[in-house]
Amino acid sequence: DTGVSQDPRHKITKRGQNVTFRCDPISEHNRLYWYRQTLGQGPEFLTYFQNEAQLEKSRLLSDRFSAERPKGSFSTLEIQRTEQGDSAMYLCASSFPGTSGYEQFFGPGTRLTVL
Amino acid sequence: AQTVTQSQPEMSVQEAETVTLSCTYDTSESDYYLFWYKQPPSRQMILVIRQEAYKQQNATENRFSVNFQKAAKSFSLKISDSQLGDAAMYFCAIDGLTFGKGTHLIIQP
Repeated sequence: DTGVSQDPRHKITKRGQNVTFRCDPISEHNRLYWYRQTLGQGPEFLTYFQNEAQLEKSRLLSDRFSAERPKGSFSTLEIQRTEQGDSAMYLCASSFPGTSGYEQFFGPGTRLTVL
Repeated sequence: AQTVTQSQPEMSVQEAETVTLSCTYDTSESDYYLFWYKQPPSRQMILVIRQEAYKQQNATENRFSVNFQKAAKSFSLKISDSQLGDAAMYFCAIDGLTFGKGTHLIIQP
């Protein structure tokens, strides 16, 4: 266990529905990242926060995706009007900048299946 | 844009032997970090080893070591004395934001 938790671990939804995932990072970590991982692929960066500020968003993050990190603690990732192509594992990671680089601690992921 | 290429989708090694996983990357940055992460089946991804680009000395962590060739933009991972618990997907990453597609490492008893 890395100390990063995600909820739910699995989500099955019907196409067109909205879903929301939650990530709780390690408490002293000020950076939080979201990735999408499909089968047989590496994690694809979606967005990251430093404290409550969303500093970077990937082109993969369409307008149906929104992420928040109120108060710089936990974060939520919402997908509106889900599509079958959104089916993937959504990973969250957190880090604290230091002399060892931005080592990221990953959560277990939320597996989304869109029917 | 940064890119990471792992050219070996799958590698197999006998237990107790040594295996090397390849990674090449591209970046316009002069200062960056390189990482190898391990993702066991159905388990969380964890850091194996990291390398700071400005350090010429190759990083080592117990049985894990890297061969970092900055000019060639190459960052390979060597696992010595392979153990059954090393079986996993291994991902190379630059600055923690760009990951390769991974190498599936199989350990044969």
